[in-house]
Amino acid sequence: DGGITQSPKYLFRKEGQNVTLSCEQNLNHDAMYWYRQDPGQGLRLIYYSQIVNDFQKGDIAEGYSVSREKKESFPLTVTSAQKNPTAFYLCASSGLAGAQETQYFGPGTRLLVL
Amino acid sequence: RKEVEQDPGPFNVPEGATVAFNCTYSNSASQSFFWYRQDCRKEPKLLMSVYSSGNEDGRFTAQLNRASQYISLLIRDSKLSDSATYLCVVNRRSSGSARQLTFGSGTQLTVLP
Repeated sequence: DGGITQSPKYLFRKEGQNVTLSCEQNLNHDAMYWYRQDPGQGLRLIYYSQIVNDFQKGDIAEGYSVSREKKESFPLTVTSAQKNPTAFYLCASSGLAGAQETQYFGPGTRLLVL
Repeated sequence: RKEVEQDPGPFNVPEGATVAFNCTYSNSASQSFFWYRQDCRKEPKLLMSVYSSGNEDGRFTAQLNRASQYISLLIRDSKLSDSATYLCVVNRRSSGSARQLTFGSGTQLTVLP
């Protein structure tokens, strides 16, 4: 089955620690995205990548880093510089929905700070 | 002003009711519009695209008013399984590409037995 997978489902971070969230897709999509969602709020764009070896900052990139070495993979690292990392992290990729291109999401990773 | 604004609700309606959600967007150059559904603690899932002529998918009808920069979603004959948060989504670029989407904060719907 084609889809987007994210791991782990839950992740705990200690103070000063960097953690990496995995995102893999087998939909053959070029573009991939990382969002953060806080309770009762909309999705905010962290980083996006339109093609392998290229990525751009979104609205809230500070404290995060990404890489795009393979088309299928777009991992997100939450660095110790991100002071409020507790959130629901969603990875997405772009594909066609009828005549329009839109985004499809993985199941998400919940990050909690210990 | 937020790029996409929705009434957060909550909307509590009885089974079988008709309910309508509204959304306004600020970027007049936006070309692509969608409604997503998000269940509690799950990822958003595409419900339907919204086309200028209006479109229907079973019990769901979406309308777009470009002049007023307004999108609506109508749900007829509500089911318990319709309980979720509904996100209004608009693309940021005039090309129609999904390269950047703006998500509303969502409208929460609870359908009561």
